Amino acid sequence: GQQLNQSPQSMFIQEGEDVSMNCTSSSIFNTWLWYKQDPGEGPVLLIALYKAGELTSNGRLTAQFGITRKDSFLNISASIPSDVGIYFCAGQPAGGTSYGKLTFGQGTILTVHP
Amino acid sequence: NAGVMQNPRHLVRRRGQEARLRCSPMKGHSHVYWYRQLPEEGLKFMVYLQKENIIDESGMPKERFSAEFPKEGPSILRIQQVVRGDSAAYFCASSPGAGTGELFFGEGSRLTVL
Repeated sequence: GQQLNQSPQSMFIQEGEDVSMNCTSSSIFNTWLWYKQDPGEGPVLLIALYKAGELTSNGRLTAQFGITRKDSFLNISASIPSDVGIYFCAGQPAGGTSYGKLTFGQGTILTVHP
Repeated sequence: NAGVMQNPRHLVRRRGQEARLRCSPMKGHSHVYWYRQLPEEGLKFMVYLQKENIIDESGMPKERFSAEFPKEGPSILRIQQVVRGDSAAYFCASSPGAGTGELFFGEGSRLTVL
């Protein structure tokens, strides 16, 4: 099945720094989504992208759907301590289902030092 | 709070016992998904259900695992004769419609098999 390669696996940054993480696939995706998971909690949707080239912001978060439809990135500007958590990319593969059967990346663990 | 409700949050079972995990979707949502998360990994799709119907169970192991979403009551993921490898966090998600990857996740049920 499809695999999503998410990088970096972990990041340690200072409060106020910007963060960038990305997700790549060997196959085309129709939808890219970014979720955040806090310890002991379920994932929460941050941003959803539906068109190649689409750039979408949600507060300090910005994500883009790659032109090739095989990648996506997430940027967090001016990080704060509550940004700590695990960030997952997820997608709906082209030619697959249109419902919520998502393929998830392995996650990026973000640690923010005050 | 009208979010996705899962119970129990934590469940401990001995090898060979049965585990039953329950999920009540968000109010107004009739599409339910179950995902499994192994330690330090992303989520893996298991099954997609609508009321009284299993739509896609391609991610569910063929043996010992079953899921239902009855007309009345919560969705249930049932694992018979649990083994140590079943230890994981099981997340339920719901959506208002079928054609979206925008899922609302519960807080998860963490199964530990001794």
